[in-house]
Amino acid sequence: SQQGEEDPQALSIQEGENATMNCSYKTSINNLQWYRQNSGRGLVHLILIRSNEREKHSGRLRVTLDTSKKSSSLLITASRAADTASYFCATVSPPFGGGTRVLVKP
Amino acid sequence: EAEVAQSPRYKITEKSQAVAFWCDPISGHATLYWYRQILGQGPELLVQFQDESVVDDSQLPKDRFSAERLKGVDSTLKIQPAELGDSAMYLCASSLAGARDTEAFFGQGTRLTVV
Repeated sequence: SQQGEEDPQALSIQEGENATMNCSYKTSINNLQWYRQNSGRGLVHLILIRSNEREKHSGRLRVTLDTSKKSSSLLITASRAADTASYFCATVSPPFGGGTRVLVKP
Repeated sequence: EAEVAQSPRYKITEKSQAVAFWCDPISGHATLYWYRQILGQGPELLVQFQDESVVDDSQLPKDRFSAERLKGVDSTLKIQPAELGDSAMYLCASSLAGARDTEAFFGQGTRLTVV
């Protein structure tokens, strides 16, 4: 399977703090995507990073990719209560891992 | 903004009954996916269509699940008979034609409860 696996499974932080989560995958990829899912809703695409890119930014999001280690990280800076959600990385199709559940406390 | 439409949003059905979910992808998206998501877990791909053809249904329990996309536009996922273990969120997603590794757009899902 080429699915990503997120780590940690859960993360609890205070509003204003940064949140970092990691993704590992097994095989070669063309790109890697990160999605967010609010409770009981569908997934929303956040960012796509291509295999020839090492870092990408989108607003308060920063994604890194290390193809030699087959890993990626998602950093959310200056977190807000509205960032409370599950975050998934995806490779190919896209299949998904179990996600990281992030709780941002006011 | 274009969205993937799914209906119904919620469905409660009795064990052994038939149930169907409908999905209308974003116009022009030839690739359509159905996922099942059990609470607390990530989405599991059930079936992937390219236009009206099934590309991948390796994880679809074919003894009870069926999916069709007859005209290559909207799609229906059916379960017959439903079992208690089928209680989950069923998500539909679509992406641009013929492009792998591209952004997928998700609907709001159908929450199925089997009693």
